[in-house]
Amino acid sequence: DAGVIQSPRHEVTEMGQEVTLRCKPISGHDYLFWYRQTMMRGLELLIYFNNNVPIDDSGMPEDRFSAKMPNASFSTLKIQPSEPRDSAVYFCASRHRALGDTQYFGPGTRLTVL
Amino acid sequence: GDSVTQMEGPVTLSEEAFLTINCTYTATGYPSLFWYVQYPGEGLQLLLKATKADDKGSNKGFEATYRKETTSFHLEKGSVQVSDSAVYFCALSDQFGGQGFSFIFGKGTRLLVKP
Repeated sequence: DAGVIQSPRHEVTEMGQEVTLRCKPISGHDYLFWYRQTMMRGLELLIYFNNNVPIDDSGMPEDRFSAKMPNASFSTLKIQPSEPRDSAVYFCASRHRALGDTQYFGPGTRLTVL
Repeated sequence: GDSVTQMEGPVTLSEEAFLTINCTYTATGYPSLFWYVQYPGEGLQLLLKATKADDKGSNKGFEATYRKETTSFHLEKGSVQVSDSAVYFCALSDQFGGQGFSFIFGKGTRLLVKP
């Protein structure tokens, strides 16, 4: 199995630009999670999906952030417009409920907003 | 609500020393408990887990026992190696009715092992 795939691995952009992060979960997994990690705030859950439907987006910091999951094998996290305080590492994780509670993490996307 | 508290780091040890990283939790249900490890520049990897009281999770020489009476899940290793240097996260997963559940991570503890 290829594991959770995220792209790009690194993104550098300027303030005000739109940023789109991509995630491909492990095949057959029915939950998908987006996390943000910073030194100050640690690991924060932004949103999660079950069977492509957003279940809890209470962690999304503000309306500039949006996430979609158009099908079982693809999800995006979009920031528009981006701000320097959005600089962080963004992780995607997936889980198969029938196999237990373990989440499998992707390698992350390091976002730098100048 | 549910929460996880783990000891702040960094923890600095010499090779072959004994390691303990404390983790306590609060939960409304009957959570599963996890330890994840993050090596520099990588995502989190599951290290071990326990799904019910008195279960012991173990992997790569690390162990943790689910203690319901003390609401704890402390991570231990008898003899650490330089390659164990990483950030360790304690986490819990608590299932609610229907689709809802919570998955909460502690703030992480950085371990540095010196030769």
